[in-house]
Amino acid sequence: AQTVTQSQPEMSVQEAETVTLSCTYDTSESDYYLFWYKQPPSRQMILVIRQEAYKQQNATENRFSVNFQKAAKSFSLKISDSQLGDAAMYFCAYRTGANSKLTFGKGITLSVRP
Amino acid sequence: EAGVVQSPRYKIIEKKQPVAFWCNPISGHNTLYWYLQNLGQGPELLIRYENEEAVDDSQLPKDRFSAERLKGVDSTLKIQPAELGDSAVYLCASSLGQGTDTQYFGPGTRLTVL
Repeated sequence: AQTVTQSQPEMSVQEAETVTLSCTYDTSESDYYLFWYKQPPSRQMILVIRQEAYKQQNATENRFSVNFQKAAKSFSLKISDSQLGDAAMYFCAYRTGANSKLTFGKGITLSVRP
Repeated sequence: EAGVVQSPRYKIIEKKQPVAFWCNPISGHNTLYWYLQNLGQGPELLIRYENEEAVDDSQLPKDRFSAERLKGVDSTLKIQPAELGDSAVYLCASSLGQGTDTQYFGPGTRLTVL
């Protein structure tokens, strides 16, 4: 069975600094997709970034980038120039190519200090 | 473009009462998902629809939960009777089709069972 592990329950970062959120996953599939979703308090979950496993190049979306290490089954999210609005719960998620079911980690609560 | 709409946003009921949640997906999205999110956890899939057909309902507790997606657009998730352990956030998500692309989430319905 596929599992997604986010071992850090909470992290804190100073505004304008950089923070990295960790995620590992376990799968025997070769075709899959990885995602980071952001869920602000009492607000809906939004997609931050996605990575296709067949792509070697790490995905980047403005201040958000990933470090995808396929052999190590690691998928970390780097947030540069952190802003107060980045404070939220962040979920790492996995999906195979054939099955659209998303498997989520337990999430990490990120706080941003002004 | 309107996002995924869910109602109600909050619901408080007593145990053994019935409850229903409604979801309207993004226009043109053929795939619809219902997820359950317990406090401090990542969402877990309850059921997935491709148009009107429920193609993955293996995690739906069918003794008390039911769902329908008439005409392949809106969907309703029902619990009857509700139990204390059903207190959670019920999330609806949709994607374009074939379930292979990005899922967009609604704001969720927070259910409290007393």
